[in-house]
Amino acid sequence: EAGVTQSPTHLIKTRGQQATLRCSPISGHTSVYWYQQALGLGLQFLLWYDEGEERNRGNFPPRFSGRQFPNYSSELNVNALELEDSALYLCASSLGTSGRIQETQYFGPGTRLLVL
Amino acid sequence: SQQGEEDPQALSIQEGENATMNCSYKTSINNLQWYRQNSGRGLVHLILIRSNEREKHSGRLRVTLDTSKKSSSLLITASRAADTASYFCACSMNTGFQKLVFGTGTRLLVSP
Repeated sequence: EAGVTQSPTHLIKTRGQQATLRCSPISGHTSVYWYQQALGLGLQFLLWYDEGEERNRGNFPPRFSGRQFPNYSSELNVNALELEDSALYLCASSLGTSGRIQETQYFGPGTRLLVL
Repeated sequence: SQQGEEDPQALSIQEGENATMNCSYKTSINNLQWYRQNSGRGLVHLILIRSNEREKHSGRLRVTLDTSKKSSSLLITASRAADTASYFCACSMNTGFQKLVFGTGTRLLVSP
């Protein structure tokens, strides 16, 4: 069974540009989570999608946005890139919530974004 | 602020020794999970312990949870060079929101 996949593996952009990161969850998982791991700052929760809807977002500005498609894959968009957006962006998936307590999250390998 | 704080920040041991990492958190949790991350890549789920459990084992891993002290520990027995990685605890809190709040991580180096 394939795990969580992310693309691209590396992305280099310049300040002010937009970046689009993609994630495909494990088959059967309907929840997708995005995290930012900046150097020395640990993982910070960005967004949670479930059944195509945004369920929760972390403390990030609106230029961080995303969506979840009918096949449960997801995109993370970062507009007006800033130097401090350089980080490893990790996607995770889990079984749908359906009101249940937090399920185990399975992580992809990440996309390393570098903003110059 | 981070929910989980790990101690130590870094740990260096020899193969065959045991490694113990600790995690403290601030608010009530549903469960606590431990993850491993190799060289800035994706996280691998190791073990989940629920708030009503006190100890859990998985192979060479042993996790304890003390909700009265709001702390957890991860013990890796008979460590191997391949255990070299960063280890994170992640808390699922009683907020109803489906997110994990990660600790700052412990960097473990196991030397042959």
